[in-house]
Amino acid sequence: KQEVTQIPAALSVPEGENLVLNCSFTDSAIYNLQWFRQDPGKGLTSLLLIQSSQREQTSGRLNASLDKSSGRSTLYIAASQPGDSATYLCAVRGDAGNMLTFGGGTRLMVKP
Amino acid sequence: NAGVTQTPKFQVLKTGQSMTLQCAQDMNHNSMYWYRQDPGMGLRLIYYSASEGTTDKGEVPNGYNVSRLNKREFSLRLESAAPSQTSVYFCASSGRDRRSTDTQYFGPGTRLTVL
Repeated sequence: KQEVTQIPAALSVPEGENLVLNCSFTDSAIYNLQWFRQDPGKGLTSLLLIQSSQREQTSGRLNASLDKSSGRSTLYIAASQPGDSATYLCAVRGDAGNMLTFGGGTRLMVKP
Repeated sequence: NAGVTQTPKFQVLKTGQSMTLQCAQDMNHNSMYWYRQDPGMGLRLIYYSASEGTTDKGEVPNGYNVSRLNKREFSLRLESAAPSQTSVYFCASSGRDRRSTDTQYFGPGTRLTVL
């Protein structure tokens, strides 16, 4: 059974810092990996999706990398801003079926 | 383009009552999903529908039923609610978009409390 772990569970940084969020998964037979953002009391917003054949994806100040063989993904946020404060979730889709398995999330706070 | 919509936003039930959570998407997606989110447990898949007319169990299907009414709508029914079903429920949909990915798009959620 696929298990997804995110470390750290919570992170507080001053504005302007570059930061890295980590995601690890136990079964490397994945179809894709997706990073989401969730604001308090809200739904999930997709940030980046990396196919299993890709190494990274970029969107603005966000860069996500994937190392399938080692079961790891990182989300890099450049020049963090208070508006980046949210919970970040990674989720993997296995080779079979449409199911996503989610990590527990990293709660990020960026202080002005 | 509303994306994924869910009704109701909030609901309080007594143990044993029944209710249906509604979900609709306007993105012409084939696949739709129901998740629940609980503190310390993360998001877990309840049921999904890969295409109109099909449904499959996810990780935590017990106590729930689903109906894929048409391509747009996917409902989740609690026949006899239990306090363990207190949670936030999210509906999502996915399909091949212009970049040929299958990104999942989520609704705003339904906050359900069972007393």
